[in-house]
Amino acid sequence: AQSVTQPDIHITVSEGASLELRCNYSYGATPYLFWYVQSPGQGLQLLLKYFSGDTLVQGIKGFEAEFKRSQSSFNLRKPSVHWSDAAEYFCALSLGGGFKTIFGAGTRLFVKA
Amino acid sequence: EAQVTQNPRYLITVTGKKLTVTCSQNMNHEYMSWYRQDPGLGLRQIYYSMNVEVTDKGDVPEGYKVSRKEKRNFPLILESPSPNQTSLYFCASSPLMINTGELFFGEGSRLTVL
Repeated sequence: AQSVTQPDIHITVSEGASLELRCNYSYGATPYLFWYVQSPGQGLQLLLKYFSGDTLVQGIKGFEAEFKRSQSSFNLRKPSVHWSDAAEYFCALSLGGGFKTIFGAGTRLFVKA
Repeated sequence: EAQVTQNPRYLITVTGKKLTVTCSQNMNHEYMSWYRQDPGLGLRQIYYSMNVEVTDKGDVPEGYKVSRKEKRNFPLILESPSPNQTSLYFCASSPLMINTGELFFGEGSRLTVL
């Protein structure tokens, strides 16, 4: 069965430190993978997406993610976190045809001064 | 501005009192979908629609209805709300022609059923 796992419910990092949020997926075909961010009281905003090709994808706000097929992972990274990055982050898997998207449970990021 | 608009943003109601959450998009997207967000569970799909008059169940459709009479609108109907439907609801749309699954979200509707 298709699934998305985000192992970390919450993560705390210091401002200026690097960040990595983990995402693992289970899907038998070529995955379309996404990272969305949800700021408090807001809807979800797309950070970046992977469809095919280059396994390192760049997104908005200085985020990047690396697709590793052998590990079924799509981890999100940022070299230097800003206080405004505090939010909840969702990894998502779109199944073929785009009619169904499976979301992970989310990782809440706290940023300390 | 391209957007997905949901109303109301906040609602407190009582068990059994029918309510409708509206969703409208101005991007001419074929695909629309409703999700509910609960702590620790992420977003779960309630219903989706591939186009006008074409709807189908998602993972958690019980207690909900939808309709798609116009391309831009996709209302979510709770005929007889119960407390377990207290949640944060999101409407999303996507251009099927691109066929990638990228979703555009509304700002959410927080529903409390007493």
